Amino acid sequence: NAGVTQTPKFQVLKTGQSMTLQCAQDMNHEYMSWYRQDPGMGLRLIHYSVGAGITDQGEVPNGYNVSRSTTEDFPLRLLSAAPSQTSVYFCASSYGQAGANVLTFGAGSRLTVL
Amino acid sequence: SQQGEEDPQALSIQEGENATMNCSYKTSINNLQWYRQNSGRGLVHLILIRSNEREKHSGRLRVTLDTSKKSSSLLITASRAADTASYFCATDPDSGGSNYKLTFGKGTLLTVNP
Repeated sequence: NAGVTQTPKFQVLKTGQSMTLQCAQDMNHEYMSWYRQDPGMGLRLIHYSVGAGITDQGEVPNGYNVSRSTTEDFPLRLLSAAPSQTSVYFCASSYGQAGANVLTFGAGSRLTVL
Repeated sequence: SQQGEEDPQALSIQEGENATMNCSYKTSINNLQWYRQNSGRGLVHLILIRSNEREKHSGRLRVTLDTSKKSSSLLITASRAADTASYFCATDPDSGGSNYKLTFGKGTLLTVNP
């Protein structure tokens, strides 16, 4: 079982460039989410999905797009990268049991925007 | 906005000692969870305590929850060097329906010296 797989692990972008962070899970989890982790800020929820075709915004959605065409994949798109988006990004998934949403995390993707 | 806040921000102890970390939160919750993050890695779920529970044990971990004070504590007994990590509390808000916006605090960095 691979769990939650994130690619790439590291990426350097220039301001204005676009890119997609990939996230895939093989646990048949309905719920998937993206968090960003910044020093001194903990983890903040960007977007989440409770199933294929369903997405919703988290705490810090601006500058990011998501889609969920399959149960397995939940890519995060940066359309025009900004230095403020320099961060470590974590994808997480769960069975999505309301009241007991226990997350399995990927290893993270470290993004630097110059 | 941060729901959970851990205290202290950093804790340094000797191997064999107990480590206690606290978490305070602001709104009603369905459950509260604790996660561990080793340096450069993703978060790993440790334990979940529901709002109607007061104490829970898992191996060397003991978690308490006081909903009247909106606080929780994580006790790690007989600590080991391998327990060195950041520890995060995460709250699952009680919004009256299905809610998947698990909110994380900023974490406590625990260092266990051999």
